[in-house]
Amino acid sequence: AQRVTQPEKLLSVFKGAPVELKCNYSYSGSPELFWYVQYSRQRLQLLLRHISRESIKGFTADLNKGETSFHLKKPFAQEEDSAMYYCALSRGGYNKLIFGAGTRLAVHP
Amino acid sequence: GAGVSQSPSNKVTEKGKDVELRCDPISGHTALYWYRQSLGQGLEFLIYFQGNSAPDKSGLPSDRFSAERTGGSVSTLTIQRTQQEDSAVYLCASSLQGGKDEKLFFGSGTQLSVL
Repeated sequence: AQRVTQPEKLLSVFKGAPVELKCNYSYSGSPELFWYVQYSRQRLQLLLRHISRESIKGFTADLNKGETSFHLKKPFAQEEDSAMYYCALSRGGYNKLIFGAGTRLAVHP
Repeated sequence: GAGVSQSPSNKVTEKGKDVELRCDPISGHTALYWYRQSLGQGLEFLIYFQGNSAPDKSGLPSDRFSAERTGGSVSTLTIQRTQQEDSAVYLCASSLQGGKDEKLFFGSGTQLSVL
């Protein structure tokens, strides 16, 4: 069965520290993977997608098919990065996303 | 409007009552999705509409849940005989064509509380 696992409910770091939010998936096909973010009192929004191989707000994520992972990384966390982060997998012929339970990132001054 | 609009933002109802949740997608977006987010859980897919195609209802948890999309635009999610376990945030999203790697635009959600 298709599944997205985010093992950490909460990740707490200090400003300037490196951040890695873990995401593992199980999917038998060729996955499309995404990270969505929800800042306080804002809507859920796309952060980045693996197909674009982009860096958004200093965040990057590399798809590792061998380890079935799509971890989100940032070398130096900022306080404004504090938010809820969701990893998501697209299956089927359209964008039917399966979401992980989310990780709350708290960046302290 | 500029984004996906959902109403009401909050709904409190009594167990056994029916509720209707509304979603107005971004103009021109042909794909529309409903998700549910229960406390401490990830987002759970409910239903997907794409143009005039038959909707994908595979995520609806029971026959008490139904959804319509009229004229390819506004969608209504109806929950009949609500139960306490239906309490959740119901999110609507739209995308341009529903392509596999497209960005989804989410609404602010409807917080449903069933007493």
